[in-house]
Amino acid sequence: DAGVIQSPRHEVTEMGQEVTLRCKPISGHDYLFWYRQTMMRGLELLIYFNNNVPIDDSGMPEDRFSAKMPNASFSTLKIQPSEPRDSAVYFCASSRTTGLDQPQHFGDGTRLSIL
Amino acid sequence: SQQGEEDPQALSIQEGENATMNCSYKTSINNLQWYRQNSGRGLVHLILIRSNEREKHSGRLRVTLDTSKKSSSLLITASRAADTASYFCALGPTGGFKTIFGAGTRLFVKA
Repeated sequence: DAGVIQSPRHEVTEMGQEVTLRCKPISGHDYLFWYRQTMMRGLELLIYFNNNVPIDDSGMPEDRFSAKMPNASFSTLKIQPSEPRDSAVYFCASSRTTGLDQPQHFGDGTRLSIL
Repeated sequence: SQQGEEDPQALSIQEGENATMNCSYKTSINNLQWYRQNSGRGLVHLILIRSNEREKHSGRLRVTLDTSKKSSSLLITASRAADTASYFCALGPTGGFKTIFGAGTRLFVKA
């Protein structure tokens, strides 16, 4: 089975530009998570969805960040406008129905650099 | 903070030796998971232990959980160079809805 697929793997752009990160979860997984990983702050949960509905977005740092899940097989995380402090590795993960006691399956991340 | 705190932050051992990593936490949990992250890759789930369990094994991995001390340990026996990675504990808080990841232990296994 294919794992969680993220694109692009690397993104370098100038500050002020819009950035869109994409994720395809594992088929049959009802939970989808977006994380951000930095050396300073470790792994931070930004937002998670259950059955395509955003459940908790309290980790989204600012209004510049938005996430959508239009269907069970696709999600996006958008940053507009981007800033240098948004540079990080962004991970998408998915898990099965019961969520909290199920393993999360991570994609290989998008390494984002904002110049 | 509710997150788990791993100890040590970094560990360097020779191939064939055992590696022990610890995770301490402050909140009440339903379960605790351990994940591995290789450089440039996503996290990979290793093992989940529930609050009513004390020990679990998976291949060369042994996980213990002491809820009275609010601590867990991950033991990797007969380590290999391929075990070089960061290891994270992740808490499933009681009554919570989000898994909380610790800061990780960086393990380096020298061949």
